[in-house]
Amino acid sequence: AQKITQTQPGMFVQEKEAVTLDCTYDTSDQSYGLFWYKQPSSGEMIFLIYQGSYDEQNATEGRYSLNFQKARKSANLVISASQLGDSAMYFCAMREGFLNSGGYQKVTFGTGTKLQVIP
Amino acid sequence: NAGVTQTPKFQVLKTGQSMTLQCAQDMNHEYMSWYRQDPGMGLRLIHYSVGAGITDQGEVPNGYNVSRSTTEDFPLRLLSAAPSQTSVYFCASRSGGPGANVLTFGAGSRLTVL
Repeated sequence: AQKITQTQPGMFVQEKEAVTLDCTYDTSDQSYGLFWYKQPSSGEMIFLIYQGSYDEQNATEGRYSLNFQKARKSANLVISASQLGDSAMYFCAMREGFLNSGGYQKVTFGTGTKLQVIP
Repeated sequence: NAGVTQTPKFQVLKTGQSMTLQCAQDMNHEYMSWYRQDPGMGLRLIHYSVGAGITDQGEVPNGYNVSRSTTEDFPLRLLSAAPSQTSVYFCASRSGGPGANVLTFGAGSRLTVL
């Protein structure tokens, strides 16, 4: 079974509009972390936002927010006021296990969503 | 602030050749890992290391070897390249202490095996 599922291979959004990129996850751990990364056409991986499983408030970083619904196991990324520079691949990822347990908490990635912002 | 440095950026190999992808980080991170990225498949973990002298397999380890003799370096070796190893490879690292959540990635290495 997929640990991280991104069901939208591609999406379009009008410039200045908001867009939601979907991510669902599967884990039996109580402690885990959820991330979103952006990969522009130049290829580098850019960290956007993080949500811990025990965080009660949804994470926000500038125009990015993470809509965390623990019971539904979803961690959707919301980008407000889209800009042309937001056109990129977006990856959802999950780290499982206790942060400082001494073991390596593997980070699993989804297959990504390609977002294109239309002027 | 070099972060994670990968070399080479591009490489073309013939089937059966061997090569090493280099990865170095200057952040004193304990954890280092190698991922491969293929279209439609996201990033898949190949091998990882939790410190010098300690390595383990990830999701797709076959055909790859790693070693970690220092904290800074984590090379990935292809012993006998196959066309199925054509991919973009990313090295990533993170610290083991508080705030250890974020993976820092290298710029990637694009490998083509003919």
